[in-house]
Amino acid sequence: AQSVAQPEDQVNVAEGNPLTVKCTYSVSGNPYLFWYVQYPNRGLQFLLKYITGDNLVKGSYGFEAEFNKSQTSFHLKKPSALVSDSALYFCAVRVQLYNNNDMRFGAGTRLTVKP
Amino acid sequence: DAMVIQNPRYQVTQFGKPVTLSCSQTLNHNVMYWYQQKSSQAPKLLFHYYDKDFNNEADTPDNFQSRRPNTSFCFLDIRSPGLGDAAMYLCATSSQGGTAYGYTFGSGTRLTVV
Repeated sequence: AQSVAQPEDQVNVAEGNPLTVKCTYSVSGNPYLFWYVQYPNRGLQFLLKYITGDNLVKGSYGFEAEFNKSQTSFHLKKPSALVSDSALYFCAVRVQLYNNNDMRFGAGTRLTVKP
Repeated sequence: DAMVIQNPRYQVTQFGKPVTLSCSQTLNHNVMYWYQQKSSQAPKLLFHYYDKDFNNEADTPDNFQSRRPNTSFCFLDIRSPGLGDAAMYLCATSSQGGTAYGYTFGSGTRLTVV
């Protein structure tokens, strides 16, 4: 089955420190990978995606993600965390179905950035 | 700005009383999705419309129905809400044509069942 896994339920970092939110994928063929962020009582907001090309993808709010084919990973990173980055982060893979494409989400990782 | 709008943001309904959540989009996307999200868990796909074609997930309860009268609007009907249906309901859209496109989500409707 095509899926993504987020091994950490919770990540805590201090403001100003680098942050990493982990994601691994299991996909046959070429993966189409996404990161979304969700703030309290809001919908999911698109951060970035990997389709093809450079393994380092840059997205919104200073976030980036590195696609690593050998490790089947797509970790989200930011060099210097902000308190306002505290939110729920979802990794997702988009798979081709018989009549459409379907987005499969990981379980989510709650990021807390402390002042 | 083109966007996906969900109304209302917060909905309180009585146990067993039918309720309808709405979603509208100005993106002219031909695919619309409804997700259920409980307690900061991963969103769970309930069903989606590919143009006018309705696609139900196998484990979506019969209590949940959907209507899409035109490209711009899609409704989620819960015929007899139970306490277990309290959740955030997310509407999303995407364009056809490939896995390279992400989804655009609305802000969600938080449903409370009393």
